Amino acid sequence: DIVLTQSPTTLSVTPGETVSLSCRASHSIGTSLHWYQHTTNESPRLLIKYASQSISGIPSRFSASGSGTDFTLNINNVEFDDVSSYFCQQTQSWPNTFGAGTKLELK
Amino acid sequence: QVQLKESGPGLVQPSQTLSLTCTVSGLSLTSNSVSWIRQPPKKGLEWMGVIWSNGGTDYNSAIKSRLSISRDTSKSQVFLKMNSLQTEDTAMYFCARNGGYWYFDFWGPGTMVTVSS
Repeated sequence: DIVLTQSPTTLSVTPGETVSLSCRASHSIGTSLHWYQHTTNESPRLLIKYASQSISGIPSRFSASGSGTDFTLNINNVEFDDVSSYFCQQTQSWPNTFGAGTKLELK
Repeated sequence: QVQLKESGPGLVQPSQTLSLTCTVSGLSLTSNSVSWIRQPPKKGLEWMGVIWSNGGTDYNSAIKSRLSISRDTSKSQVFLKMNSLQTEDTAMYFCARNGGYWYFDFWGPGTMVTVSS
């Protein structure tokens, strides 16, 4: 199975900051990488599909890039509502797998 | 508006069978595919299996021998059954719609299952 390694595990931020979250794949997965946000007691939410494609209804402060083995989720001007866990998923190889997540918390 | 909601027993004894239901609204199961995904405490997510819009199923080989996914299209419900539960199966269980092909664009809020005697 392809292993996705996310870093950092936890990220402390101040509202208004811009942050970058990393997801690294154990093998090349092209652009078959998707990002999700999961806030406690809520349903996970798809943020980005296929490495960089935006999703309708997701704020434009969320963007992403990458291909092959290295991927990045950027959050511009972090807001209070962004305090969540973020995880990546690869769908290039069977079975699809997820990273362990990055938890965003306020300083 | 697409919605999914999981329901289940909450607590299951070791070696017993887990039965969960995912009730969907705003979509038809005959034209949409639904997956089950779980997350043990303090661990990452694990895709478990999918029931395709044509009724076919695929399972993660790691748990394939214990897992069965079925549906009742008239009731807009998808079912998960997993036998021989162990403490390692303690997790939050989610159902989600397969958007595109393998990413998940709508999720339920999840239901917590604890395996304990």
